[in-house]
Amino acid sequence: NAGVTQTPKFQVLKTGQSMTLQCAQDMNHNSMYWYRQDPGMGLRLIYYSASEGTTDKGEVPNGYNVSRLNKREFSLRLESAAPSQTSVYFCASRGRASTEAFFGQGTRLTVV
Amino acid sequence: GQQLNQSPQSMFIQEGEDVSMNCTSSSIFNTWLWYKQDPGEGPVLLIALYKAGELTSNGRLTAQFGITRKDSFLNISASIPSDVGIYFCAGQQNYGGSQGNLIFGKGTKLSVKP
Repeated sequence: NAGVTQTPKFQVLKTGQSMTLQCAQDMNHNSMYWYRQDPGMGLRLIYYSASEGTTDKGEVPNGYNVSRLNKREFSLRLESAAPSQTSVYFCASRGRASTEAFFGQGTRLTVV
Repeated sequence: GQQLNQSPQSMFIQEGEDVSMNCTSSSIFNTWLWYKQDPGEGPVLLIALYKAGELTSNGRLTAQFGITRKDSFLNISASIPSDVGIYFCAGQQNYGGSQGNLIFGKGTKLSVKP
């Protein structure tokens, strides 16, 4: 039962470097999400994909891009990392008829 | 944007104590969810509430969907050490039959009393 799998689990980047965070789910869910978690800020939605082929901005999209590669995979790209993007990133997925969102274990990103 | 006000931000528990936390909003939600996050893990769903006034239990946890649909609370009875973690409330609105996105509160951090 893999559920939602995120890679990598940890990453350190230098300011200006780029990277892609990967997310895959094996539950045949239509919707997928990227959140960031910062101390005292809760979970804030970066981007989401309501179905394969569509993506939309969430609350804090600046500095990020996403790709819904297929139904299983939803990646998050930082083109030019900044220290303000130091955070824990969570991917989540949800079925069409379900309210519950299932989360991955997170990617802890530090930008120095 | 929409916001959920979750309180308290943090609390210390002693084994055996009852714990209570709540979420309020200026907006109406169709669904309220409560999640728990253990250190180093992603949030996991504890309880989902779908109707105003609904009271639902899951073991020692009890949650209620407020009558006004603008608030929810979570109670933990007889707390144990493994209850420590961060608890999040989340609300969802539906638009014309479509699911809205989940809006999360900022979390309540439960720690053990020193």
